[in-house]
Amino acid sequence: EDQVTQSPEALRLQEGESSSLNCSYTVSGLRGLFWYRQDPGKGPEFLFTLYSAGEEKEKERLKATLTKKESFLHITAPKPEDSATYLCAVYGNRDDKIIFGKGTRLHILP
Amino acid sequence: NAGVTQTPKFRVLKTGQSMTLLCAQDMNHEYMYWYRQDPGMGLRLIHYSVGEGTTAKGEVPDGYNVSRLKKQNFLLGLESAAPSQTSVYFCASRSDLQGLNLHFGNGTRLTVT
Repeated sequence: EDQVTQSPEALRLQEGESSSLNCSYTVSGLRGLFWYRQDPGKGPEFLFTLYSAGEEKEKERLKATLTKKESFLHITAPKPEDSATYLCAVYGNRDDKIIFGKGTRLHILP
Repeated sequence: NAGVTQTPKFRVLKTGQSMTLLCAQDMNHEYMYWYRQDPGMGLRLIHYSVGEGTTAKGEVPDGYNVSRLKKQNFLLGLESAAPSQTSVYFCASRSDLQGLNLHFGNGTRLTVT
C-alpha cells in the first residue's frame, strides 16, 4: 500500500530563517509526487509535481526536490505570508488513488 | 470558470440522519475524488471516480456511498450519519491529459451530534 510520512509535524521559524520540510514515501511505481499549500478554512492549493528522482522545481522562495525515497520542500528566507500547512501526496501505478501525508504546519514569525 | 464547487459549505446533522454532499466541476475533468480532513490526520481518501459511471473505494470508504451519473458531478452520501463522520470534506478533480495534480474545492464542514 502507498504511504506518505511528513516531518516535522510543525515548524516555527523566524522571518528569513531558511529550512526544509521532509516527505518520505513508499509507492509501487511513482507516477507523480505533489506538494500543496493549505491555508486555514481553504482547500489545498497546488504547488509542484515531481515525476522522477533528481528532478527539482522552484517557485519564488520554494524549491522542491525528489529522490527515490523522499522529497524535500526547501524554503529560503521565508516571510510571514508563507505560514500555512504544506501537504505532500503520491500517485503510484497500482491504481488511481492519490495518497496524502498528514502535513507540516509552518509558522513564520515576523 | 468556477473550478470545483462544493455544496453545502456547512451542515449540522443528528446521529442517524442522512445527507448528500454535492461536488461540481466545470473543467471537463475525468477524475474526481472525495477526501475527509480531521485534525492531525491529514487528507484521507474516501472514494474516487475515473470517469462518468465509475466509482472506486479509497482508504476510508465505510459509511459512505458515491455516485457519478454525470461527468461534472460527484455525489457523496451518508446514509446514517455517526459522530465519527464529523469532519471537513474536500472534493477534488483532475484531468487525464493536462498534468496529474488535483484541483480542490473549499470544503464542506459537517458536524454530527
